[in-house]
Amino acid sequence: GAVVSQHPSRVICKSGTSVKIECRSLDFQATTMFWYRQFPKQSLMLMATSNEGSKATYEQGVEKDKFLINHASLTLSTLTVTSAHPEDSSFYICSASQRGFPTDTQYFGPGTRLTVL
Amino acid sequence: EDKVVQSPLSLVVHEGDTVTLNCSYEVTNFRSLLWYKQEKKAPTFLFMLTSSGIEKKSGRLSSILDKKELFSILNITATQTGDSAIYLCAVDPDAGGTSYGKLTFGQGTILTVHP
Repeated sequence: GAVVSQHPSRVICKSGTSVKIECRSLDFQATTMFWYRQFPKQSLMLMATSNEGSKATYEQGVEKDKFLINHASLTLSTLTVTSAHPEDSSFYICSASQRGFPTDTQYFGPGTRLTVL
Repeated sequence: EDKVVQSPLSLVVHEGDTVTLNCSYEVTNFRSLLWYKQEKKAPTFLFMLTSSGIEKKSGRLSSILDKKELFSILNITATQTGDSAIYLCAVDPDAGGTSYGKLTFGQGTILTVHP
């Protein structure tokens, strides 16, 4: 149980285009989903917290107009990187959690590697 | 500001060695401390620690928490090349509402196990 999927696993795009990444909780309803960014050999940096049916809460320094987050249902959250630039190239990871299920912690998706040319 | 610090930042050992990874924290609120292993993809959950002094074990891995001294250790005995990964420590605050589950991660320890 507690499986989280992400799609796509890898994307390469041209500078200026927008990219959408999906995060799904496959066997539980996630009241909260989190989006992280990770640079090579560094730790995870929380970008935003997404609660179903409400606006995402962004961490300081994260541009909400650039990284659009939608959490339309209890099993799906999307991150759209708008007008992507090479500096947006990174590994993006989502996680999903529901208090008390199954161990009251977060489960991570497999990540999406974004390369912007 | 909440802070989680891991040490060492990197470690190179040979198969069969035992390693100890450290995680110290300074946070406003504390619910639990979590250890994750990250290979090429997303982190996989290892342990969740909530109480001091109770060791959690899974095979060759074990972990313990000291809430008085605000640190945790992760031990790996008889290391294997498959243990090579980044090990991440994170603290989960005891907060509801919009702060629920907002983990603060340490920098990670990069463990390399040579044959």
